[in-house]
Amino acid sequence: GQNIDQPTEMTATEGAIVQINCTYQTSGFNGLFWYQQHAGEAPTFLSYNVLDGLEEKGRFSSFLSRSKGYSYLLLKELQMKDSASYLCAVSGVDSNYQLIWGAGTKLIIKP
Amino acid sequence: DAMVIQNPRYQVTQFGKPVTLSCSQTLNHNVMYWYQQKSSQAPKLLFHYYDKDFNNEADTPDNFQSRRPNTSFCFLDIRSPGLGDAAMYLCATSRDTVSNQPQHFGDGTRLSIL
Repeated sequence: GQNIDQPTEMTATEGAIVQINCTYQTSGFNGLFWYQQHAGEAPTFLSYNVLDGLEEKGRFSSFLSRSKGYSYLLLKELQMKDSASYLCAVSGVDSNYQLIWGAGTKLIIKP
Repeated sequence: DAMVIQNPRYQVTQFGKPVTLSCSQTLNHNVMYWYQQKSSQAPKLLFHYYDKDFNNEADTPDNFQSRRPNTSFCFLDIRSPGLGDAAMYLCATSRDTVSNQPQHFGDGTRLSIL
């Protein structure tokens, strides 16, 4: 079957670095997405990984290990506006290429 | 700017009273999706259209219907809303389903049931 696990909530300090992990199970893996969702708003696209390794995009980086079914989102130089939920979503043959979504990790940034 | 627009942002309806949510897009994407999202939960895919080809998820209740009269517009009809249907409804688009182009979301419609 298909399954995505992420921590429910994390807390970090402004200016620090935080890593949000995501583990998944799917057959015929076809890519992993990270989205940011502020409370009461729609998800916005952050990053996409289909090959192993690190993709860097400004303060945000995303890593993928297909053999381990594992990804992380790394946020550097945290700002108060980064307080949001971060959702991991996976595309695979199992789901006919539709995204299977995690429940999201709520990130709380403290001054 | 090209975008996905959902109307209204907030919708209140009565228990059992039909309601329609709308979505339009200027991205000219082939695929349009409707998701239901409840607080602190993952978005749940209800159905999607690839052009005019309708795809219903197996566990989407019969109470939910959708229409896509043209490329730009898609509607979600809830025939007899129950209290459990109170949620955020998200419309999204993508260029296609296989190439892993990201999905672009509208701002959502928050539905309340009285």
